[in-house]
Amino acid sequence: DARVTQTPRHKVTEMGQEVTMRCQPILGHNTVFWYRQTMMQGLELLAYFRNRAPLDDSGMPKDRFSAEMPDATLATLKIQPSEPRDSAVYFCASGLSSGGGNEQFFGPGTRLTVL
Amino acid sequence: GNSVTQMEGPVTLSEEAFLTINCTYTATGYPSLFWYVQYPGEGLQLLLKATKADDKGSNKGFEATYRKETTSFHLEKGSVQVSDSAVYFCALSDRGASRGGKLIFGQGTELSVKP
Repeated sequence: DARVTQTPRHKVTEMGQEVTMRCQPILGHNTVFWYRQTMMQGLELLAYFRNRAPLDDSGMPKDRFSAEMPDATLATLKIQPSEPRDSAVYFCASGLSSGGGNEQFFGPGTRLTVL
Repeated sequence: GNSVTQMEGPVTLSEEAFLTINCTYTATGYPSLFWYVQYPGEGLQLLLKATKADDKGSNKGFEATYRKETTSFHLEKGSVQVSDSAVYFCALSDRGASRGGKLIFGQGTELSVKP
């Protein structure tokens, strides 16, 4: 049963600390998406990759957020330094991009709390 | 640009009631349309999809028909259960390959079903 996995599932940290979230996309998928979900803003797209290349990261605060795909089996989202307003659930999703509008498969999310 | 608008929640129904959650979209070209469901504490899961006009997506008793003339993709279920309580997201995907499979989500509609 192929699934997107995310680690850690929960993270509590103090303001100013670095936070790294990891995602393992479904094997064979060539697109990876990072989303942030909060009560106030709903679901926001932060960044996405196709074939490991970043296509759009306009949704990310550039001064503190960075997203990378070191290889096809790992995507990372890093926040440095973290701030209380970064508290949210961060979802990773993967899919196959063939121009046909294919579905995305979501991971269980990382719940981040910044104190 | 492309956008999705859903009816505001929360929607509260009694068990076995009929459900409709409205979704309308604005898009250029011929997008694919999706309904995702998010159960408490989990990531989003694809519920159903439709890839062209007049297609009907269906799953688990839920249905939605792609109506190009009214730019709508309303979600319906004839008899809801308590286990259907969740947040429902309408989304569209631009078919253009350059979009990389990006989805545009509505703001979500919370459904609460009472016994």
